[in-house]
Amino acid sequence: AQSVTQLDSQVPVFEEAPVELRCNYSSSVSVYLFWYVQYPNQGLQLLLKYLSGSTLVKGINGFEAEFNKSQTSFHLRKPSVHISDTAEYFCAVSHTGTASKLTFGTGTRLQVTL
Amino acid sequence: GAVVSQHPSRVICKSGTSVKIECRSLDFQATTMFWYRQFPKQSLMLMATSNEGSKATYEQGVEKDKFLINHASLTLSTLTVTSAHPEDSSFYICSARGRAISYNEQFFGPGTRLTVL
Repeated sequence: AQSVTQLDSQVPVFEEAPVELRCNYSSSVSVYLFWYVQYPNQGLQLLLKYLSGSTLVKGINGFEAEFNKSQTSFHLRKPSVHISDTAEYFCAVSHTGTASKLTFGTGTRLQVTL
Repeated sequence: GAVVSQHPSRVICKSGTSVKIECRSLDFQATTMFWYRQFPKQSLMLMATSNEGSKATYEQGVEKDKFLINHASLTLSTLTVTSAHPEDSSFYICSARGRAISYNEQFFGPGTRLTVL
């Protein structure tokens, strides 16, 4: 079984400040890792994903994440946030098999203020 | 590309009635579709996985007879909430995955807000 832990339920940050949203996972087999963003009353939009290769993954909207296998982490970072980044962020993991399901973390609410 | 739509976006119904939610992949063939349920300020919980032309696989604790899933074509899956009750009120989100597009990535619909009075 796999699991995802997002320790921070809320992260307040000022506009133009850097931010890191933490994600740790647990799995006995190889995994794919994803970060999704959800705006109010909307579905999920993929920010970035790690399948293989370079451990530093760049995504949309200036976000990036680094896969750290030894620490079983996949933290999301952005060097300078905007008000429009205010949303719910979900980390997710799946096994590398073709029929694998996604397991989501509990989400982190990023609140950007002036 | 890889757009998934859901209809309706919002539905309000009376207790005891049935509600059908459609999930469509607009520009790809969805070999697998997933249905999730999301309570306010909580994460997505997978309800079931459906492959085109076969019966859905339900997660533990999800009532098969209450949440009927049909995946009759490569572009359409439906979720029917039968005899809905207020506790079924939730945000339902579908996602789809196709063999010819980004490997192992799920594309999500915009969600359907169900309110049962």
